Amino acid sequence: QKEVEQDPGPLSVPEGAIVSLNCTYSNSAFQYFMWYRQYSRKGPELLMYTYSSGNKEDGRFTAQVDKSSKYISLFIRDSQPSDSATYLCAMGKGGSYIPTFGRGTSLIVHP
Amino acid sequence: KAGVTQTPRYLIKTRGQQVTLSCSPISGHRSVSWYQQTPGQGLQFLFEYFSETQRNKGNFPGRFSGRQFSNSRSEMNVSTLELGDSALYLCASSPQPTDYNEQFFGPGTRLTVL
Repeated sequence: QKEVEQDPGPLSVPEGAIVSLNCTYSNSAFQYFMWYRQYSRKGPELLMYTYSSGNKEDGRFTAQVDKSSKYISLFIRDSQPSDSATYLCAMGKGGSYIPTFGRGTSLIVHP
Repeated sequence: KAGVTQTPRYLIKTRGQQVTLSCSPISGHRSVSWYQQTPGQGLQFLFEYFSETQRNKGNFPGRFSGRQFSNSRSEMNVSTLELGDSALYLCASSPQPTDYNEQFFGPGTRLTVL
């Protein structure tokens, strides 16, 4: 079992839909949680960064961390075709910078 | 401000050869990390450099090595290439180590091993 599990999709939604992307993890030492967006033939771009549990909102994006359930989520409101990309979750432990990534979920937002 | 640049963008090598990839971080960024991305394993951490010192290393064989120069530019080297080394190699920079929320990735170098 991988430390971080993420459904690869693809997840196909109509424009304007609310998208929910999720990751589960097994290592309770993870303290930092990130979401990245990666367009085809590009490097990942950091979308959200959260320390410990709780919610964080940035524009149309909301990140949630539930450490008791070892579950993190990224919500995208009013999804746009330009949101079509692969979304990667990543996690890190305090004290060392060795992030562990999920395999990524491919999202397709169709007009 | 210019982003992270990686050269070359594409590379084709044969088994047994060695390869050197280059990364120029964002101006002012002193921490550089390298990652390997494959369809099978996803994105995996290779190593991180700060002030010309390797601070962390992922679970990769010794054929994978790197270094950082005094201007923060970094190179990674893979010796005795194997077919399984075919991947997208990504470099990321940040001002300081563990600056998760200020890390920026380059476009990557696509390495194909034949």
